[in-house]
Formats: sequence, C-alpha cells, structure tokens
Amino acid sequence: QQKVQQSPESLSVPEGGMASLNCTSSDRNFQYFWWYRQHSGEGPKALMSIFSDGDKKEGRFTAHLNKASLHVSLHIRDSQPSDSALYFCAASPIASSSFSKLVFGQGTSLSVVP
Amino acid sequence: GALVYQYPRRTICKSGTSMRMECQAVGFQATSVAWYRQSPQKTFELIALSTVNSAIKYEQNFTQEKFPISHPNLSFSSMTVLNAYLEDRGLYLCGAREGGDTQYFGPGTRLLVL
Repeated sequence: QQKVQQSPESLSVPEGGMASLNCTSSDRNFQYFWWYRQHSGEGPKALMSIFSDGDKKEGRFTAHLNKASLHVSLHIRDSQPSDSALYFCAASPIASSSFSKLVFGQGTSLSVVP
Repeated sequence: GALVYQYPRRTICKSGTSMRMECQAVGFQATSVAWYRQSPQKTFELIALSTVNSAIKYEQNFTQEKFPISHPNLSFSSMTVLNAYLEDRGLYLCGAREGGDTQYFGPGTRLLVL
C-alpha cells in the first residue's frame, strides 16, 4: 500500500502561471515532508522541507502543511519553463534521525508551456 | 555545499553478471546512506538504509545476498547488484544525510541488463 499519494499525475501550466501540487500521507506516523524536483537525466534535488502546520515560503515556492489531514501542497508562482520536471513528495516518520527512512510518492510531472 | 557523486553514471551488463556502483558524499558527513531504485515508470523503491556503526536494514523484497552494501566511513558507500537480470534494470540512486538533515541525492547509476 502506497503510504504517500500525489496528485495530479501530470500538470500543465502557462509560463508565469501558478502550479499547485498535492500530497497526502496515509500513515499518521509519516508526518514530516520534503519536496524534491527531478529533471530528466538527473537525480532528485531537494526543494524544501516542512514539518509544522501552515505555510513555508522559499522564493517562488510555497509549501503548506495540514498535519490534521496529513496533506501537504507545493505552489510554484510565476512558473518558468525551467520548472518543467518531475516533482516528488517524500515523507518520514521522524524529522531528525539518521535511522528514519524517507518514503516517496509516485510523482507529478509538471510542464510549463511558454 | 553538500554534494553526492555516483559512478558509474551508466552501465550495461549481461544477464547473470554482477556490477558494483559507488556513492561519495562531499561537503558533509553522511551518517546515513539510503539506496533506492527508480523504475522506468519513475517510482522509487527503497532498497536499504545504512547508518555508520549500525547494521544495514534491507526493505522487503531486497536482500543482502542480492544487493550487498558497504558503508565503511562517513563519505563513501558502495552497493553491488549480484546476478543481474532484466527486472533489476533502473536508475539506482544514493541518498545521503547528515543526521536528520535533508537527504541529498546523487545523479544515479543507470543499469541496463542485456
């Protein structure tokens, strides 16, 4: 059973638009989240982490976490063609431990159209 | 900054043969290393989590007998795929963390099996 579910599977937005990606954990033990981005031919690159309820903003990227529903979203404003990539949500049971494994969702493919 | 190198980037092996891949963390001390396989459909499977001075924990469907891992120090890890067959193909990713910080990934080793 997939512990981390992402939606939508794919998304297309116009350049300059807002992209919104969603992620939900089905296991209440997995409540610490990261967002990763993977461009074709590369490994995943960490975008940001979020552990507390509410919003966290880093540049054009804003993550929102609702711990009660274990739902986290990622919003990309002023989307650029270079943002076109696979986006993965990852969840962990413990935020700060080397022994804590990271479980990934199945990814959202984002395409930003010029 | 934190960087993770993996080599080789791409390898082709004959069915039934073995190949070794390496992972090196630069700029931080990798107290844990996780090996993943990313399928052609882009889904992640965690193979094993290795922490320095602790036993390597393999996930269900993955064994030490098939994927032996060595993690001798805080910057280096290697994994071998023994007796590789078609179902072992994919992108093998190494993710390294210092403590509970963000997991940084290398570019991966792409394994093709003929």
